[in-house]
Amino acid sequence: EPEVTQTPSHQVTQMGQEVILRCVPISNHLYFYWYRQILGQKVEFLVSFYNNEISEKSEIFDDQFSVERPDGSNFTLKIRSTKLEDSAMYFCASRSQGSQPQHFGDGTRLSIL
Amino acid sequence: RKEVEQDPGPFNVPEGATVAFNCTYSNSASQSFFWYRQDCRKEPKLLMSVYSSGNEDGRFTAQLNRASQYISLLIRDSKLSDSATYLCVVPLSGGYNKLIFGAGTRLAVHP
Repeated sequence: EPEVTQTPSHQVTQMGQEVILRCVPISNHLYFYWYRQILGQKVEFLVSFYNNEISEKSEIFDDQFSVERPDGSNFTLKIRSTKLEDSAMYFCASRSQGSQPQHFGDGTRLSIL
Repeated sequence: RKEVEQDPGPFNVPEGATVAFNCTYSNSASQSFFWYRQDCRKEPKLLMSVYSSGNEDGRFTAQLNRASQYISLLIRDSKLSDSATYLCVVPLSGGYNKLIFGAGTRLAVHP
């Protein structure tokens, strides 16, 4: 069964540094998403991406965040200057179309020191 | 009302028990709903989709009451492997775009 893959599984970074989280969505999917989950809290929406542009973003997704689909297969989330409160699990998800559900990658654990 | 609200539990049940989880949602325009399960420090995995009044898949039954804006998940004949957090998830605005997650209901099945 096709799946969403994410790398790295764990990223440790100093505060203020840039990080790039990578995702390879399921190949025939059209809609791409990033979510995050702070330890012990619920999963929160960050951004959705369709047709090579952001379709919606949350208040969390401020100017420090950006997304790209540089080559038609990868989907990346960049955090320009990380803060301690960016420490969380980051999940990428994708879906095909219509009412189909989103499928999640196994996440990147981001730890900011 | 919170966008998606669930009883956090935990529900501690013996193997073989039947257990039911409830979820209420605030957006009356939502058309489809999902139950995901999440194991500790893992990704959410789709358990069931609910598009009309309900859905059944083996030991799992989901029911939807649009008038009350209420969704339930019933698990029959609980197994040890059912121990997880069950997430009620509602796409916003019916456009199947961003997902709004409940905080989850924790289930622990013991021998």
